[in-house]
Amino acid sequence: AIQLTQSPSSLSASVGDRVTLACRASQDINSGLAWYQQKPGKAPELLIFDASNLESGVPSRFSGSGSGTEFTLTISSLQPEDLATYYCQQYSAYPLTFGPGTRVDIK
Amino acid sequence: QLQLQESGPRLVRPSETLSLTCTVSGGSISSSSNYWVWIRQPPGKGLEWIGSIYYGGGTYYNPSLKSRVTISVDSTQNQFSLKLTSVTAADTAVYYCARHLYNWGQGILVTVSS
Repeated sequence: AIQLTQSPSSLSASVGDRVTLACRASQDINSGLAWYQQKPGKAPELLIFDASNLESGVPSRFSGSGSGTEFTLTISSLQPEDLATYYCQQYSAYPLTFGPGTRVDIK
Repeated sequence: QLQLQESGPRLVRPSETLSLTCTVSGGSISSSSNYWVWIRQPPGKGLEWIGSIYYGGGTYYNPSLKSRVTISVDSTQNQFSLKLTSVTAADTAVYYCARHLYNWGQGILVTVSS
């Protein structure tokens, strides 16, 4: 199975900061990667699909990049409502797998 | 707007079968190219893919659960379902149904306990 690692495991940043989250795959997954945001007590919500495509309705401060084995999710200007855990998921090959998540706190 | 809703028992005894149903509204489960997915999340932990079913008939399961899992579709009810046999406390989790990537249910907490 393709393993995903995420870094950092958690971070704390101030409102307005630029935040970058990383996701690394154990083998080439081309662009078969999604990013989700999960707020406490809620279901995950899709932010990015195919590594860099912004889901409809998602604020433009979120962006994704990368291909192959290295991917990033960037929040250009952190907002209070961005407090959440962010997961990457690969769907290039079965079994589908998720990364362990990055928790984002607001200072 | 497609909506999904999980339903089923919230308490299951050890060694018994966990059975959940996902009702899809706002769209047809028979639409081509859609994959329907079950995912779970133990309390305080990360997400685990359980399996997917394609309306055309293909099913894909997590190898770690494959011997215990069955996912099926009932197009007449616009539902798909999950059965997980021989459950233990390790199967206690919030179970989510989803349309691959895009639409998720709110989740249902299932506790395995005697």
